[in-house]
Amino acid sequence: QSALTQPASVSGSPGQSITISCTGTSSDVGGYDYVSWYQQHPGKAPKLMIYDVSNRPSGVSNRFSGSKSGNTASLTISGLLAEDEADYFCSSSRSSITLVFGGGTKLTVL
Amino acid sequence: EVQLVESGGGLIQPGGSLRLSCAASGFTVIRNFMTWVRQAPGKGLEWVSAIHRGGSTSYADSVKGRFTISRDNSKNTVYLQMNRLRAEDTALYYCARELPGHHNAFDIWGQGTMVTVSS
Repeated sequence: QSALTQPASVSGSPGQSITISCTGTSSDVGGYDYVSWYQQHPGKAPKLMIYDVSNRPSGVSNRFSGSKSGNTASLTISGLLAEDEADYFCSSSRSSITLVFGGGTKLTVL
Repeated sequence: EVQLVESGGGLIQPGGSLRLSCAASGFTVIRNFMTWVRQAPGKGLEWVSAIHRGGSTSYADSVKGRFTISRDNSKNTVYLQMNRLRAEDTALYYCARELPGHHNAFDIWGQGTMVTVSS
């Protein structure tokens, strides 16, 4: 089961916006509107940031937004803050009972 | 408080077995889709297994036939029985709960339990 493809790293300066892509196939990202994004700080458990492609859980800043076009999903973080520096993982359903994660993207806030 | 607490990890020789536990509080596992996700040291997240509300189960190809997910409703606990362990199973194993009504969205995670497979 191949992982979804994410860039290994992205960076941005405080206040800027960045976008992280997550590319799959028509069997996962393109076939389901069940894409999620997770933030993980070192030594911590993942935190759900986006679900169902573009929905934010309660308590997540509206600086985080998600979208999807075809087989590629995207996470955009606007107004970058130092605290946004973390690893980000996308995830997609691959069937009604299986799912797959992306390889992860390290975000550096310069 | 809604939380998950994993336990049962440790150092095990290749070919050995371990059973991980995930104790839930603040909600009922039988009413939720529960999953195990692992993370090898310095690597990304890998989905391992899931158990649905109805009790059906699913597995990643990498563990199919070796791992078994189950739950004990009386103890409000989910388990992962891991047999024929390999070095590549070495990872931090997380238990997570799916956000009710939303596929593939895991809103509650445990702190993880470390499994090291080595001779």
